[in-house]
Amino acid sequence: DGGITQSPKYLFRKEGQNVTLSCEQNLNHDAMYWYRQDPGQGLRLIYYSQIVNDFQKGDIAEGYSVSREKKESFPLTVTSAQKNPTAFYLCASRLDNQETQYFGPGTRLLVL
Amino acid sequence: KNQVEQSPQSLIILEGKNCTLQCNYTVSPFSNLRWYKQDTGRGPVSLTIMTFSENTKSNGRYTATLDADTKQSSLHITASQLSDSASYICVVGSYGNNRLAFGKGNQVVVIP
Repeated sequence: DGGITQSPKYLFRKEGQNVTLSCEQNLNHDAMYWYRQDPGQGLRLIYYSQIVNDFQKGDIAEGYSVSREKKESFPLTVTSAQKNPTAFYLCASRLDNQETQYFGPGTRLLVL
Repeated sequence: KNQVEQSPQSLIILEGKNCTLQCNYTVSPFSNLRWYKQDTGRGPVSLTIMTFSENTKSNGRYTATLDADTKQSSLHITASQLSDSASYICVVGSYGNNRLAFGKGNQVVVIP
């Protein structure tokens, strides 16, 4: 079954703790993206990657880190430096020669 | 300032009625405009995508229009169903820019 998956669906973080959100796609897409969605706001770009072993900061990269060791995977780590991490996180991917980004189901991160 | 403005922020409509959502943008140079549907707690799903030369695109009961001269787009929902209750997000792409500009969404609630 092809698609883009994110796990877990819900994630709880304690103060001062790093957590990693998973994003996997088997669509053979080249580019992958991480967005953050807060109530009443548009999606904001955290990081994106156009090829393996390369990634670029988005508009709100502070407090986050990523890696792109495999084409299929683009995990996002929310570090303790991110002071307000509670949000809905969306991963997306697209083919190089297509405009449409396909989104995963999202991970909701809550800080305890 | 947000480059993509959507209105109304939210609306309630009766099942079976039509509604129209508006999107104004200032993104330049314009490449394409997409409408996504996002159910609560889920990832956005692409409804339509239009380039500069297209002024209308349909997907079932959803019809999007684009006026590139006035930088306006609309999404018309015909004969609304309860399953149309969702947030509808207008997204604009720009030439030479890997990033997209997202509106905050139109929250639609369909009631029986």
